[in-house]
Amino acid sequence: AQTVTQSQPEMSVQEAETVTLSCTYDTSENNYYLFWYKQPPSRQMILVIRQEAYKQQNATENRFSVNFQKAAKSFSLKISDSQLGDTAMYFCAFMKYQGGSEKLVFGKGTKLTVNP
Amino acid sequence: SQTIHQWPATLVQPVGSPLSLECTVEGTSNPNLYWYRQAAGRGLQLLFYSVGIGQISSEVPQNLSASRPQDRQFILSSKKLLLSDSGFYLCAWSYDIREAFFGQGTRLTVV
Repeated sequence: AQTVTQSQPEMSVQEAETVTLSCTYDTSENNYYLFWYKQPPSRQMILVIRQEAYKQQNATENRFSVNFQKAAKSFSLKISDSQLGDTAMYFCAFMKYQGGSEKLVFGKGTKLTVNP
Repeated sequence: SQTIHQWPATLVQPVGSPLSLECTVEGTSNPNLYWYRQAAGRGLQLLFYSVGIGQISSEVPQNLSASRPQDRQFILSSKKLLLSDSGFYLCAWSYDIREAFFGQGTRLTVV
C-alpha cells in the first residue's frame, strides 16, 4: 500500500522568510502524481502545487516550489517570501494511475504558522 | 465549470442516532467520488470511494456506509452514531490522477 509521511507536525516561520516542508512517500509505481494541498482555518482544501512523476523538472507556482527527488521518494515544498495568509495545515498527497479507480492518499499534515 | 456541494456544514447528533451526509457534483459526468474523515489534529483518512453508480469500495472497517444512487450523488450514512464518529468529513471528486476537488466539509459532533 502507498504511504505518505510528513515528519514535521508543526512549523513556524517569520513573515517574508522561506520555509521548507518535508514529505516522503512509498510506492513501487512509476505513473503517479504528487500534490501539496493547503487547508486554512476555513478547512477548505486548496491545491497548492502538483508534480507528475515522469517530469524531472520541479514544479513552481509563484512563491511555491517543490524539490522532487524521485529516487529518494522525497517531495518537499518550499514557500518563499512567506505571508500571513500562508498560515494553514499543509498536506502532502499521492495519487497513482489505477485504471480509473485512482485514490488520493494523504500524509498527516504539517501545521504552518507564519509570524508577523 | 464543475462544482461540488456538500451539506450540511455542521451537525450535532446524539449517540445512537442515524446519519446522512450528502454530496453532489455538477458540471461533469462519471466522476470518481470520495469520502474522507479528518479527526482533530490528524490527517485525512479515506473512508469510501466510488467509480460508478452502485459501486462502493470501503477502505476501513467502521460504523459508516456509503451509497451512490446517482452518477453525481454520494451519500455517507450511519444507522447508529458512535462518539468516535465525530470529526470533519470531506467529499471529493476526481476525473483522473491529475487533481481532486473538495467540498466545503461537514463538521460532525456526536454527543
